[in-house]
Amino acid sequence: EDKVVQSPLSLVVHEGDTVTLNCSYEVTNFRSLLWYKQEKKAPTFLFMLTSSGIEKKSGRLSSILDKKELFSILNITATQTGDSAVYLCAVGGEYGNKLVFGAGTILRVKS
Amino acid sequence: KAGVTQTPRYLIKTRGQQVTLSCSPISGHRSVSWYQQTPGQGLQFLFEYFSETQRNKGNFPGRFSGRQFSNSRSEMNVSTLELGDSALYLCASSLGGDLRFGEQYFGPGTRLTVT
Repeated sequence: EDKVVQSPLSLVVHEGDTVTLNCSYEVTNFRSLLWYKQEKKAPTFLFMLTSSGIEKKSGRLSSILDKKELFSILNITATQTGDSAVYLCAVGGEYGNKLVFGAGTILRVKS
Repeated sequence: KAGVTQTPRYLIKTRGQQVTLSCSPISGHRSVSWYQQTPGQGLQFLFEYFSETQRNKGNFPGRFSGRQFSNSRSEMNVSTLELGDSALYLCASSLGGDLRFGEQYFGPGTRLTVT
């Protein structure tokens, strides 16, 4: 059965800190890994990674995928209170657009 | 470009009733996927439609069904509602038939409460 595990489940940091969120997976016929940010509404797309070792970057957020070791990390530098959210990792396998989600990491940034 | 829209945003139903939720994907997107989100189980895949055909189905009972129309709009139906069906139902649209063609974008969701 396909599985996505995120760690830590939650963390609290202070503004300006750097955080690293982890996502490991076991998926048949891996196709891509996606990161989403969810506040009190629908998940907002952050990154999609399909090739190993390539870093995707957007402002203070960056992500890298290791297909050999079956994991990805999401880094957030110089955190702000607006980064407080649940960060979801999802993996697409087999055929089509089905995503398997991890439980998420709850990030709280204190001012 | 308008995002994914879902209606209604909130629903309260009684056990045993049925409900229909609607999703309009981003213009030009042909794939619609449905997910159920609950505090205990997280986000779980229900099913996916592409070109009016169901292509993938998650591990949900037959009470959960859906369809897609020629304009790519999709509906999902839940019959004989149970208390455990209370959840946020999210619809996601994708450009093509596979993640190689692009990522999924989520709608705002329909919050269903079953009493």
